[in-house]
Amino acid sequence: AQSVTQLGSHVSVSEGALVLLRCNYSSSVPPYLFWYVQYPNQGLQLLLKYTSAATLVKGINGFEAEFKKSETSFHLTKPSAHMSDAAEYFCAVGRSQGNLIFGKGTKLSVKP
Amino acid sequence: DTAVSQTPKYLVTQMGNDKSIKCEQNLGHDTMYWYKQDSKKFLKIMFSYNNKELIINETVPNRFSPKSPDKAHLNLHINSLELGDSAVYFCASSPVRIGTDTQYFGPGTRLTVL
Repeated sequence: AQSVTQLGSHVSVSEGALVLLRCNYSSSVPPYLFWYVQYPNQGLQLLLKYTSAATLVKGINGFEAEFKKSETSFHLTKPSAHMSDAAEYFCAVGRSQGNLIFGKGTKLSVKP
Repeated sequence: DTAVSQTPKYLVTQMGNDKSIKCEQNLGHDTMYWYKQDSKKFLKIMFSYNNKELIINETVPNRFSPKSPDKAHLNLHINSLELGDSAVYFCASSPVRIGTDTQYFGPGTRLTVL
């Protein structure tokens, strides 16, 4: 069975600091991994996805993630946090049946 | 143009009532989904349809009945609402029904059962 674990339900950083949101996956087949962002009272928006083409994936808004098979990880990073990055971030793995299995989410707070 | 739209955005109702949530996508996608987000923000798949055919039904009480009149629409009807049904319900769509595709989410419907 596939699953995703997000370490840290809440991460707080200062504006301009590095953002690191952690995601580990479990999958018996090559995984398709996604990061989605949810702003307050909104739907989910895709940040980036890994589909085996390249291990370092660049997404929108300056975010990127690196797929590390040896560590079963797909951590999300951004070099410099902006106030507008404050949101809930979800890591997900795609199932062959089509749906996504989500982690429990990490709330990112950005302090001025 | 909104890609995936849901109505209503907010729904407040009494226990025992029956309610429906509607979803429409104008992306030309073949597959649509319903996800439930609970009070702790946990998202879980409920149903998936591909070209009007039910593909996924994830241990959801049979008080919940999805209907897809065409591949652009997926509605969710809930009978005999219970307090535990309070949640945000998200509709999503994707081009095909494999796990590699980006899913596009609607804005959500916040259901509150009193």
